[in-house]
Amino acid sequence: EVQLVESGGGLVQPGRSLKLSCAASGFTFSDYNMAWVRQAPTKGLEWVASISYGGSNTHYGDSVKGRFTISRDNAKSTLYLQMDSLRSEDTATYYCARGGAPGNYWGQGVMVTVSS
Amino acid sequence: DIQMTQSPSSLPASLGDRVTITCRASQDIGNYLRWFQQKPGKSPRLMIYGATNLAAGVPSRFSGSRSGSDYSLTISSLESEDMADYYCLQSKESPNTFGAGTKLELK
Repeated sequence: EVQLVESGGGLVQPGRSLKLSCAASGFTFSDYNMAWVRQAPTKGLEWVASISYGGSNTHYGDSVKGRFTISRDNAKSTLYLQMDSLRSEDTATYYCARGGAPGNYWGQGVMVTVSS
Repeated sequence: DIQMTQSPSSLPASLGDRVTITCRASQDIGNYLRWFQQKPGKSPRLMIYGATNLAAGVPSRFSGSRSGSDYSLTISSLESEDMADYYCLQSKESPNTFGAGTKLELK
């Protein structure tokens, strides 16, 4: 059974950093591109970033480019999202998803709140 | 970046109705269009991929179609379990982009 489990969320002050993790199981992690998608409270879905299966190619949404870094550790079957210079508008539930374009498999989401 | 214009934002409907949600792409995306359903507090669920292909386990009352740059999700006969938010996603190029969403609710 495919499982994606996010962790690392919480309350953080504006300007600070936070790193999210997504532990994958039930499939060969190194065979798949992966993505992060977020959803601000009461708002729609926003594609954040993607990474190729080997980790060499990354893409970012305009709102996070230069502040967020997606990475992966295939030996640990884990996806990461390093979030720097956080802003209040980054407050959202963050989902990891299998595929550079999200498809069948999503995590349950982790909440990030940026507030002083 | 490719913009996806989704309409309507809200769609009141009755059980048994035929309903259609539409997304228009600002550039050519071919058939690189997916539809997701999301219920409150839950992760999104893939409903349609490749513009017209039903994802595994999705009821046959759901269908996807394309007319030029317009993509539609149709539910042929609305059931109570279909009340949810729906989003389109273009996966032609990065960054991928979602439509703004449609809230399907009981009239």
